[in-house]
Amino acid sequence: SQQGEEDPQALSIQEGENATMNCSYKTSINNLQWYRQNSGRGLVHLILIRSNEREKHSGRLRVTLDTSKKSSSLLITASRAADTASYFCATDDKAQKLVFGQGTRLTINP
Amino acid sequence: DGGITQSPKYLFRKEGQNVTLSCEQNLNHDAMYWYRQDPGQGLRLIYYSQIVNDFQKGDIAEGYSVSREKKESFPLTVTSAQKNPTAFYLCASSWGPQGETQYFGPGTRLLVL
Repeated sequence: SQQGEEDPQALSIQEGENATMNCSYKTSINNLQWYRQNSGRGLVHLILIRSNEREKHSGRLRVTLDTSKKSSSLLITASRAADTASYFCATDDKAQKLVFGQGTRLTINP
Repeated sequence: DGGITQSPKYLFRKEGQNVTLSCEQNLNHDAMYWYRQDPGQGLRLIYYSQIVNDFQKGDIAEGYSVSREKKESFPLTVTSAQKNPTAFYLCASSWGPQGETQYFGPGTRLLVL
């Protein structure tokens, strides 16, 4: 089945730097979503971008979508210690089933 | 406060025992979902329900059962047939189809004694 795959699997940066995570998927989609998960907690929705959109912003978050390359990126600018978490992309194919990738573990060092 | 709650936070299961995980939402969402998350992994769909009194199997339904008698509640039973139940279980809900934004509960960690 289709699956979003995040890259890198783990990322460690200094506070204040920007963090970029990528997601690739296999088949056509209706939308792509990004979620955050703090250790041992539930997922929190960050952004949903539809297949006819190319870029979307929410505060310090910027998401891009390239349907020709079947890929998306999540950029977190001016990172903070509180951004330390796992980030998952989730894709929705024509069957309207949400499929999650394995996530990127982001660590922000003070 | 509106939201989705899960209980208990930790659950211990003995061999051969069935256990039930609770999931309640007051968001007035039609659809509810159960996911399983293993360490360092993404989420896998166990069961979902798009309307009261109806539910569908997800990718890994074997060894699990659900009911949807009320809009607000979607309990998951981990049966003795599930041979490797140790995992983090997440419940979610959404207004409409699965592909739209899902709202997650805090999760239940199931451990086998």
